[in-house]
Amino acid sequence: NAGVTQTPKFQVLKTGQSMTLQCAQDMNHNSMYWYRQDPGMGLRLIYYSASEGTTDKGEVPNGYNVSRLNKREFSLRLESAAPSQTSVYFCASTEDRGRTEAFFGQGTRLTVV
Amino acid sequence: EDQVTQSPEALRLQEGESSSLNCSYTVSGLRGLFWYRQDPGKGPEFLFTLYSAGEEKEKERLKATLTKKESFLHITAPKPEDSATYLCAVQRGGSYIPTFGRGTSLIVHP
Repeated sequence: NAGVTQTPKFQVLKTGQSMTLQCAQDMNHNSMYWYRQDPGMGLRLIYYSASEGTTDKGEVPNGYNVSRLNKREFSLRLESAAPSQTSVYFCASTEDRGRTEAFFGQGTRLTVV
Repeated sequence: EDQVTQSPEALRLQEGESSSLNCSYTVSGLRGLFWYRQDPGKGPEFLFTLYSAGEEKEKERLKATLTKKESFLHITAPKPEDSATYLCAVQRGGSYIPTFGRGTSLIVHP
């Protein structure tokens, strides 16, 4: 049982490049989330999807887009990467939006130079 | 605005030396308070959810308690494998999005 799988684990981008972070969960969860984690800032929510077919902005959505491809997959896209987007990105899922136990992926460490 | 403050930022203990981590919060109508453990290079791992003042939950050497203003994570006789960053988060009633604190980095020396 893999849980939440993120790809890639590491990525270096040049300013202005684009990329998509992939996330898949195999727990049949309805809700999925993208967070970023920066030193001294804690986890901050970028976007979330309460259920298949819906997406909503979180605390720090600027510069990002998301796609809930199906129930399993939730991707995060950086259209034009900036150094300020250097961070560790985590995908998470919950059984539904009312459940409090979240399962996190291993993270993607992104560096924008 | 919901706020979560964790203290201390870092804590070093000797194996067997019990201590507590603090999470103080400001939230309008608490729906739930969560504790997570995060190992270096890994994603957070869920530990506990507390819903109301006076509630307590235990798991191995960890015990979480909740009052109306703060939560404590008590670590009894810690072992080196308890070394990790411990994250606290709160969720407001009517919202399904948690607000995380910055975490407490715990190192337990053998």
